[in-house]
Amino acid sequence: SQQGEEDPQALSIQEGENATMNCSYKTSINNLQWYRQNSGRGLVHLILIRSNEREKHSGRLRVTLDTSKKSSSLLITASRAADTASYFCATDQTGGFKTIFGAGTRLFVKA
Amino acid sequence: GAVVSQHPSRVICKSGTSVKIECRSLDFQATTMFWYRQFPKKSLMLMATSNEGSKATYEQGVEKDKFLINHASLTLSTLTVTSAHPEDSSFYICSARFSNTEAFFGQGTRLTVV
Repeated sequence: SQQGEEDPQALSIQEGENATMNCSYKTSINNLQWYRQNSGRGLVHLILIRSNEREKHSGRLRVTLDTSKKSSSLLITASRAADTASYFCATDQTGGFKTIFGAGTRLFVKA
Repeated sequence: GAVVSQHPSRVICKSGTSVKIECRSLDFQATTMFWYRQFPKKSLMLMATSNEGSKATYEQGVEKDKFLINHASLTLSTLTVTSAHPEDSSFYICSARFSNTEAFFGQGTRLTVV
């Protein structure tokens, strides 16, 4: 499969709680990105983390990258109902220029 | 970030006809463009990679004659779904990148074949 794994596949939480999504990939990468997609819409770029970075923050988002384990996590703190969406990690593979998406996590934040 | 424009955003066509989707990089030269397909509630599957002026490289299982890709200039790539059938109905998204920089995505095209 061209996709990496993402877990959980679906996550339901209460507003105000934190949401953590994990992503694993298969090959060497230049960088890893996280995207959000509302139902039936285009992608919204959230954050990019380069292969030589271990952690990055943007507002309520915190992303970690462990290249030795080929994994990344996205933490959304103090979640809001508006955060309800699907979240995908995408890796830019070294040498091939391909961007490959993980399977995605569907997040539902209950008000 | 850079802007990638995809057109049309929605299209409905009759079974047996062909549909062309355009992907344009508006403020940078895209040496490489990618086409993805997304089924409902699924992730994006890479269909093909196209480099300006050369033939597209298709992923395993993607029919070259069904999904024609042209990347004639550094700012435009097109995907033509030929002899479309209802099973081709899907969400198609393009992305573009310059050299080894990050990829930028279009807003997608929802194709419905009736």
